[in-house]
Amino acid sequence: DTAVSQTPKYLVTQMGNDKSIKCEQNLGHDTMYWYKQDSKKFLKIMFSYNNKELIINETVPNRFSPKSPDKAHLNLHINSLELGDSAVYFCASSQGPASTEQFFGPGTRLTVL
Amino acid sequence: TQLLEQSPQFLSIQEGENLTVYCNSSSVFSSLQWYRQEPGEGPVLLVTVVTGGEVKKLKRLTFQFGDARKDSSLHITAAQPGDTGLYLCAGHRGGSQGNLIFGKGTKLSVKP
Repeated sequence: DTAVSQTPKYLVTQMGNDKSIKCEQNLGHDTMYWYKQDSKKFLKIMFSYNNKELIINETVPNRFSPKSPDKAHLNLHINSLELGDSAVYFCASSQGPASTEQFFGPGTRLTVL
Repeated sequence: TQLLEQSPQFLSIQEGENLTVYCNSSSVFSSLQWYRQEPGEGPVLLVTVVTGGEVKKLKRLTFQFGDARKDSSLHITAAQPGDTGLYLCAGHRGGSQGNLIFGKGTKLSVKP
C-alpha cells in the first residue's frame, strides 16, 4: 500500500562509480520530483517531471540524469559519483505541477566513499 | 539563496510544555505548508495554509499564516514525546512549476 516507494533504501559506493535510484508512485499523480537533503537536513529540489516531461531542472551537475519511463516512475541516474553527492535523496509526487501537496518517499541514503 | 528562515533550529523541551516554531521570509508565497519528518523517513505533510491570516488546528497543533503571506508559525500545546521530529516549513511560489522552497527545519525533542 506504499504510496511513494524508492529503491534502494541505502546505497554505499566508491567515488567514480555510476548508480541509479528508482522511484514509483501508485497515487495516480501526474507530477514527480527528486529532492536532495544534505547532512544539515536542508531539502532542495533537483528535478520535476509532469507526465513524463521535465518541467523543473535546478542547478544540478549534468552527472545527474532523471528518466521518467511513464508518469508513475521517475528514476535518477548519477554518473561519476563524487564525495559531495553523499546525501539522502527523496522522491515525491503531487497531483499536478500546481498542486501544493506533495507526498514523499522514504528516501535513499547515498554514501560515496 | 535561502528564502525561508526557520527558528529555532533546535528545541528540547519537557513533556507538557508549549512551544512555537517560526518560519519567516521576505518573499510572498501563494501557500505555505508544514511537514514533519522522522529519522529514516520522508517528510509527511501536516497542513497547508493558503489565505493570509488563516489559522488551522490539528489536535494540539495550531498553524497560522501571516497576513502578508510571508511568514507562518506552528504552535504545539502540551507537547508529547510523540511530537519529536524535524518540522519543516515549505513555501509554494504558485504557478505551474510546483516549486516548493523548504526552510532548514526545526529539530524538536520532547522528553518524558
